[in-house]
Formats: sequence, structure tokens, C-alpha cells
Amino acid sequence: KAGVTQTPRYLIKTRGQQVTLSCSPISGHRSVSWYQQTPGQGLQFLFEYFSETQRNKGNFPGRFSGRQFSNSRSEMNVSTLELGDSALYLCASSLVRRGGQQYFGPGTRLTVT
Amino acid sequence: GENVEQHPSTLSVQEGDSAVIKCTYSDSASNYFPWYKQELGKGPQLIIDIRSNVGEKKDQRIAVTLNKTAKHFSLHITETQPEDSAVYFCAASIMSGGGADGLTFGKGTHLIIQP
Repeated sequence: KAGVTQTPRYLIKTRGQQVTLSCSPISGHRSVSWYQQTPGQGLQFLFEYFSETQRNKGNFPGRFSGRQFSNSRSEMNVSTLELGDSALYLCASSLVRRGGQQYFGPGTRLTVT
Repeated sequence: GENVEQHPSTLSVQEGDSAVIKCTYSDSASNYFPWYKQELGKGPQLIIDIRSNVGEKKDQRIAVTLNKTAKHFSLHITETQPEDSAVYFCAASIMSGGGADGLTFGKGTHLIIQP
């Protein structure tokens, strides 16, 4: 089975722009969660989507948003980029919400200049 | 919210020796504790997990122990090999009837296996 895929793998944006990242979960997985990884703050939970609905949200500003499509693929969007948004953005999928086991993709490295 | 502390931040061991990484959590409602291994340029890889109704779980050279009373859990790697070198993260979450919350991660342990 193919793992979690994320596109693009690398991205460079300018402060003030917006960006959209994409995640395709493992086939059959219906839950997709997003995390931000930085050297200073470590791995932090952004939000989780299941059945096209946001189910949980971490402590991030409203500039961070996401959505999930009927095929479970998910996108996250960051508007009005700030230098501090530079990070590795990771997507994780799990079979069902109660399954617990989350499998991560390789991440998208976002650099904001 | 949940807070997970992980120690040590760096651990260097001789090849063949054992390595132990420890984590504590703050929320007594947390009941799911996975461990992830992250190699350079890759996403975290789930290596083992434990639920709060179990005290210990083993998978070949890897084991995890959980002490609910003290709110701490540990990862044990025996007979370490060069390919075990990576950053290891512990995490905690609450799995309830409504599903699992997002994972709260520790800051990570850089494990270095010395040849």
C-alpha cells in the first residue's frame, strides 16, 4: 500500500503571500491530521479532518485553515504568511478517528522570506 | 491542555548497548501513547504504541512501559544498531468515544549510536 503523500515537498514564499499544501492519505484512511514542526516549538497539532469536517483544532491563528474532500484528500492553507510560519508541515492519516494510529507523510518544507 | 516532557534531549550509546528514553505527561485523561522515529529528511515513523490499559508492550528489540500512577512512559531499545540513530518522539493523546484528539509531542531525543 502506498503511504501518505504530500505535495509539494519544498516551497518558498514571500511574507504576506498565501500557500496551499496538499495531502493524500493512505488508501482507505478517512482521518487526516496536520502538524507543524519547527526547531523551537517541535511538533504541534494544527487540525484534524474526518468525513470532510474539521473535528479538532490546535492552538493556531485563523490564518491556518484546511479542508477535506470526499476522497479523503486534504489541503491546508496559510494566508498572510509570516516569517515564523517557516516550518515542516506534516500530514498524518489514520484509518478511523478511534483507531489512534497515525501515519505521517514526508512533509512539505515551507520557507517564508 | 496536555504537556509532554521528554528526556534526555540527546543520548549517545555504544552499538550493542541499550537505550532508554523517558517521557512524562500531565493530563491523567490521556490514554494513548505512541512513539515515533524520525530520520533526516523524512516524516515521523510510528514504531510502537501503548494504550493505558496495558503496562508494557514489546516488539522485537523495542519495548514501551507505562506507569499511569506516575504519569510516565519509557521507550527501551536493546542491542542498538547504527540504523537506530535518529530522533525519537513520544506523544500522548486522549482516545474517547468521540475519537482521538491531536497528538501532543515531546521535544524529541536525538539518539546517536557510536560504532
